[in-house]
Amino acid sequence: KAGVTQTPRYLIKTRGQQVTLSCSPISGHRSVSWYQQTPGQGLQFLFEYFSETQRNKGNFPGRFSGRQFSNSRSEMNVSTLELGDSALYLCASSIDGTAEAFFGQGTRLTVV
Amino acid sequence: EDQVTQSPEALRLQEGESSSLNCSYTVSGLRGLFWYRQDPGKGPEFLFTLYSAGEEKEKERLKATLTKKESFLHITAPKPEDSATYLCAVQGSGGSNYKLTFGKGTLLTVNP
Repeated sequence: KAGVTQTPRYLIKTRGQQVTLSCSPISGHRSVSWYQQTPGQGLQFLFEYFSETQRNKGNFPGRFSGRQFSNSRSEMNVSTLELGDSALYLCASSIDGTAEAFFGQGTRLTVV
Repeated sequence: EDQVTQSPEALRLQEGESSSLNCSYTVSGLRGLFWYRQDPGKGPEFLFTLYSAGEEKEKERLKATLTKKESFLHITAPKPEDSATYLCAVQGSGGSNYKLTFGKGTLLTVNP
């Protein structure tokens, strides 16, 4: 059974640019969540999608957005990148958002 | 707001030296408490879900327990391959809450 797949694994972007990250959940999982992980703040919740609808959003600025497609795959977008956006971005999938969540390997974003 | 505090921040053990990690939490109605293991540069790996006080779960050298205010991850006779960061997370049952709130983690090092 394939796990959660995130692409790309690594990204280097310049301040002011935008970036799109992709996540393919485990087959049959309809809930996809996104988290930002930094050494100082740990794992922080960005947003959660279920059946193409955003159900929860964390305390991040509007530059962070996401969407989910009909096949449950999800993307997140960060516009006008800042140095502080450098982090490991993790995607997690769950059957319905209340059961255990399984994480992908993450996308390491570096903003220079 | 849900809160999770993990202690200690770091723990160094000798191979075979048993110990426990602590996770204290506050949440308005607990839907579930989750333990994850994270290796450097990788996404968190799911270990256990606990739902109610008094519940216990075991997997190899790990045993997780839950009370109304905290959870413990007991490590019996650890091996060097158990070295990792152990993360605790809670999900509250209030409203449409589908996010996980994580602690900062405990960095476990097991020396041979």
